[in-house]
Amino acid sequence: QKEVEQNSGPLSVPEGAIASLNCTYSDRVSQSFFWYRQYSGKSPELIMSIYSNGDKEDGRFTAQLNKASQYVSLLIRDSQPSDSATYLCAVLSNTGNQFYFGTGTSLTVIP
Amino acid sequence: EPEVTQTPSHQVTQMGQEVILRCVPISNHLYFYWYRQILGQKVEFLVSFYNNEISEKSEIFDDQFSVERPDGSNFTLKIRSTKLEDSAMYFCASSENRGVNEQYFGPGTRLTVT
Repeated sequence: QKEVEQNSGPLSVPEGAIASLNCTYSDRVSQSFFWYRQYSGKSPELIMSIYSNGDKEDGRFTAQLNKASQYVSLLIRDSQPSDSATYLCAVLSNTGNQFYFGTGTSLTVIP
Repeated sequence: EPEVTQTPSHQVTQMGQEVILRCVPISNHLYFYWYRQILGQKVEFLVSFYNNEISEKSEIFDDQFSVERPDGSNFTLKIRSTKLEDSAMYFCASSENRGVNEQYFGPGTRLTVT
């Protein structure tokens, strides 16, 4: 069973702060990693993908990957109240046919 | 911007009835998926579909489930004899390719089995 672990939270940060979301995965050969945002009652919305060790930046979002530690994280800079949502970590299977999702981390940005 | 669409947004059915959930993937995408999310739980993979056949399916996708691409645009999930525990949000997703693919999700169909 491929496991993807996230702290469920809730994580609360003040507006303008940096939010840090973490994810670990069990399958050492995983190569492709994704962060999705899910508002309550809505579908997952793709934020970023990351495939190589290191950092990848896209606007206020930075994904970090460390395959040796089997760890992927998402940093949200200048957090806004509209960032309040559940953030899902997804790991692509070796077959490329499915995602394994974590349970998600609930983020609240306090105005 | 192209997006995945799903109908209906909410389906209520009685236990034992058949339901068909419909999806229109993004037009140039070749890989299609169904996931479900039981309330308060994580998103779970059901099935992937490529070139008119199932690529992979999970243990959840048993004989009561089937998928079909009846024409060039629609992708359907049929549940033959619904059970109470089938109540969930069902998400369709599509991607342009496999491997390093990025899957885009539709808005979901909330299925309620009574």
